[in-house]
Amino acid sequence: QFVLTQPPSVSAAPGQKVTISCSGSSSNIGNNYVSWYQQLPGTAPKLLIYENNQRPSGIPDRFSGSKSGTSATLDITGLQSGDEADYYCGSWDTSLNAGRVFGGGTKLTVL
Amino acid sequence: QVQLVESGGGFVKPGGSLRLSCVASGFSFSNYYMSWIRQAPGKGLEWISFISSTSPYTNYADSVKGRFTISRDNAKNSLYLQMNTLRAEDTAVYYCARDRSGVPFDYWGRGTLVTVSS
Repeated sequence: QFVLTQPPSVSAAPGQKVTISCSGSSSNIGNNYVSWYQQLPGTAPKLLIYENNQRPSGIPDRFSGSKSGTSATLDITGLQSGDEADYYCGSWDTSLNAGRVFGGGTKLTVL
Repeated sequence: QVQLVESGGGFVKPGGSLRLSCVASGFSFSNYYMSWIRQAPGKGLEWISFISSTSPYTNYADSVKGRFTISRDNAKNSLYLQMNTLRAEDTAVYYCARDRSGVPFDYWGRGTLVTVSS
């Protein structure tokens, strides 16, 4: 259903590191930038990472992104209870109907 | 500061129409692409349309193509989404978001809820 594939959920204890994966294809991640968004409960999404690994001003360096081939990852270190949220990856897709695409989202639980 | 405020959501019967608006402030609206993104209850994000900054270049997701029309009025710093032939599966919170190459969706509105039900 979603063009990009993410695990439905991940969890880790406070202070630990968590990695969220995002898998796509050559028509999206393989040849385009990846962005990541955080959606806290009941709020609009917020941009965390753009151009694969760039952080907007105000985003702490505990959040980092990377891309390799047709996959991308979001790493969150020093987990805090406030990081508990849904995380979405996004990219541009150049298949038949070019447009923006998202992953299905990953629910992060801080144990 | 950048602000995006959506309005126009509500309750509509299947087959009906609604027009959503998004008023922008705090940046030069006419210089940016804009997008609409929706989120069905308890579901993930779905990009549905974008419009270029000044020229009338638009694109749509297959799920809304032919039913929805995106437009903008740069003089009013406003973005619109005309939604026709609405279906139950169009029920969602609709967000407008600033969109630019390399930095997609760097600002979002708070969203407006559209409910399609008989």
